[in-house]
Parts: sequence; structure tokens; C-alpha cells
Amino acid sequence: GNSVTQMEGPVTLSEEAFLTINCTYTATGYPSLFWYVQYPGEGLQLLLKATKADDKGSNKGFEATYRKETTSFHLEKGSVQVSDSAVYFCALTTGAGSYQLTFGKGTKLSVIP
Amino acid sequence: EAGVAQSPRYKIIEKRQSVAFWCNPISGHATLYWYQQILGQGPKLLIQFQNNGVVDDSQLPKDRFSAERLKGVDSTLKIQPAKLEDSAVYLCASSLGSEPKAETQYFGPGTRLLVL
Repeated sequence: GNSVTQMEGPVTLSEEAFLTINCTYTATGYPSLFWYVQYPGEGLQLLLKATKADDKGSNKGFEATYRKETTSFHLEKGSVQVSDSAVYFCALTTGAGSYQLTFGKGTKLSVIP
Repeated sequence: EAGVAQSPRYKIIEKRQSVAFWCNPISGHATLYWYQQILGQGPKLLIQFQNNGVVDDSQLPKDRFSAERLKGVDSTLKIQPAKLEDSAVYLCASSLGSEPKAETQYFGPGTRLLVL
């Protein structure tokens, strides 16, 4: 079956620090990969996605590259801000029948001034 | 463009009672999903509709959970009778349904259920 493993949180960083949140996956078939974010008091929203190997998704200064050889999709940002404090979820869909998203457990990020 | 609407936002019930959640997807979205998110975990799919037909309900506990999407628009998820382990956030999401493997799913704010 499909599964997503992401680094345990919580993660606390100072403003302007470099961020990496690791994500690895197992999947039957060829998945599309996503990062969703949940800001405090808000619903889940798409941050970025990649649909084939070596694609790089990017948005709001965040980036992640689809690495098929290492089955990974690590999230990075060069300089975090307080407003980036949120819970980040790595997810995949394989499109085999149902197109459900399979999520990791989430990583809570807190950025302090 | 209006987002996915859900109600109620919060619900507290006692075990063995019944409860219903409502979802109104983004206009024009053919696919509707219900996810269950238990505290500290990622969301897990309960049921997926394409228009008013069920695509996947393999993880729906059918002895107590039911869902419908009449006329292919709004949807209702029901739990009867509720158990303590049903305490979770119930998320509704929708997507266009034209490119399902790559398209974005848009999530509502969720309904937080507490079963006492």
C-alpha cells in the first residue's frame, strides 16, 4: 500500500533560519507528491506539488524536488518567517482507482522572532 | 470564489448518539472527499464521490458511518451510533475531477467532533 513518512516535530526555528522537513514515501505506481499546510485556525491548503520525477514544486519561497531514486520530497525554505508557523503535511496520490491523498502525520513548525 | 463550506464547526455528543455533518463543495467541482483527522495524525480518506456516485468507500466503517451526495452537489456524513474513538476533525474536500492524479484538493475548515 501507499505510505508517507515525515520527520517528527515539533520543529522550532529562529526567524531567517533555513528549514528542511524530510518526507519519504512508498507507493504502488507512479505517485504525484504534495505539501499541504495548515495555519493556526485555518483549513488545509496546498503549498506546492510535483507530478513527475525531478520536477520541482515551489511557492511562497518553499521548494521541494521529486526524487524518485530516493523516494523523497523534502520541503525547504531558505529563510523562514514568523508567519510560516504552521503544520506541514506531505502527501501523495497514485491515481490507482481512487485519487485519495495519503498523508504523513504532519510536522509542526514554530518560528520565533 | 467561495471555498468549501462545512457545518457545524464544533459538535459535542455522548457515545451512542447520532450526528450529521454537512458539506457544500466549490461550485463546479465534481469530486468530493470526506476525510477523518485524528489528533496528531494526517487525514485519512473515508469516502470519495464523483458527482453523486461513490468511487471509494473502502475505509468507511459502514456499520456506523454513512454518507450521501444527492444531486451531485452538497454532501452529508452521518455517524450512528457514535463511539469514543470517533472523536476527530472531519474534513470535506473537493476538486474539479478532470485531472484527479495531479489536481488540487480544496479543503473546508472541518468539523471538530468530541464524543463523551
